[in-house]
Amino acid sequence: TQLLEQSPQFLSIQEGENLTVYCNSSSVFSSLQWYRQEPGEGPVLLVTVVTGGEVKKLKRLTFQFGDARKDSSLHITAAQTGDTGLYLCAGERTSGSRLTFGEGTQLTVNP
Amino acid sequence: DAGITQSPRYKITETGRQVTLMCHQTWSHSYMFWYRQDLGHGLRLIYYSAAADITDKGEVPDGYVVSRSKTENFPLTLESATRSQTSVYFCASSHQGIYGYTFGSGTRLTVV
Repeated sequence: TQLLEQSPQFLSIQEGENLTVYCNSSSVFSSLQWYRQEPGEGPVLLVTVVTGGEVKKLKRLTFQFGDARKDSSLHITAAQTGDTGLYLCAGERTSGSRLTFGEGTQLTVNP
Repeated sequence: DAGITQSPRYKITETGRQVTLMCHQTWSHSYMFWYRQDLGHGLRLIYYSAAADITDKGEVPDGYVVSRSKTENFPLTLESATRSQTSVYFCASSHQGIYGYTFGSGTRLTVV
């Protein structure tokens, strides 16, 4: 059983569309991170959220941490082909503990 | 160049052979990690290290050995490779183990 469930697993959209990816758990996390991974490369950190209800924006990407710190979402506005990749959420159960990763959402943005 | 480098990028080995994957980081990060990435399982932690000479098991440590005699290096050894260890292996480092991990580009290992 995955501690962090990501949905959807696969998402294929057209350039210019909006999308939301979800990361859910029954456990509380002290912090949650989002990474993007491109083929043949390691994951790259996008953002870390630590406060319940926190919203962070990174250009067209908006990240939200749930009030109860059990879930998170990533919203992309006006997707571009360069957004294509595997998006991974990762949570830290307690401060200083090891990260647990979700299985990821494979996003394909078609021109 | 500063960063985290893994070698080799690709490796094919035979069942039963010993193979070592190398990881080197130039940030002097205290924490280093080894993950394997497989379809259907995502990233799973094999071993991690909080400092030189301090290592600890992760989620899937069986069949693997690590050492960390120097802060910058964290090699992963498969003592007797099995086909189930065919995977993509990622090394990562972090300052104090939190606030984001920096990953290497990975080693794609095939055991035949």
